[in-house]
Amino acid sequence: EAGVAQSPRYKIIEKRQSVAFWCNPISGHATLYWYQQILGQGPKLLIQFQNNGVVDDSQLPKDRFSAERLKGVDSTLKIQPAKLEDSAVYLCASSLVPGQGNTEAFFGQGTRLTVV
Amino acid sequence: AQKITQTQPGMFVQEKEAVTLDCTYDTSDPSYGLFWYKQPSSGEMIFLIYQGSYDQQNATEGRYSLNFQKARKSANLVISASQLGDSAMYFCAMRQGAQKLVFGQGTRLTINP
Repeated sequence: EAGVAQSPRYKIIEKRQSVAFWCNPISGHATLYWYQQILGQGPKLLIQFQNNGVVDDSQLPKDRFSAERLKGVDSTLKIQPAKLEDSAVYLCASSLVPGQGNTEAFFGQGTRLTVV
Repeated sequence: AQKITQTQPGMFVQEKEAVTLDCTYDTSDPSYGLFWYKQPSSGEMIFLIYQGSYDQQNATEGRYSLNFQKARKSANLVISASQLGDSAMYFCAMRQGAQKLVFGQGTRLTINP
């Protein structure tokens, strides 16, 4: 079974530029998460989708970050314009519908973003 | 609100010893799940073990076990017979029902030969 796919693996951009990350979850997983992990810290949830609806985006900086999940499958996370403090690893994860027992999230390998 | 606390920034253990990584949580919801993940230096997040709030017994998966003390709101991970390959960051996480999966700050475990 294929895992969660993310691209690109690495990205270096200048501040004030825009960038987009792509995620393809495990087939059949209704829930998709985007996390931001700053070096030395735990992952911070940016947005959680269930199918193509948003469950939680309370920690998404909406003035510069946006995310969509068209057709309830693939998802794109965009930053525009980027700031230096956005340098982090962006992790995508997916799971079966939560609340049904052990529904662990499966993670992609992440995109390491460096803003210079 | 959900909150996960890991108070040990780093742990150093001799190979073959057992190690306990601490995790406490805060929630007012009676239905929740607790997860432990391992993150090696390569960066991927690897699921280790799960404990449901209504589970009667502590979860075990091979060398991993979860010491679940519901009244104290703690869910410590125990790794028996540690190996060099266990060196990594370890994260405790919690989800209430269908709500967001929240992570702690992590503990860096180093296994010494």
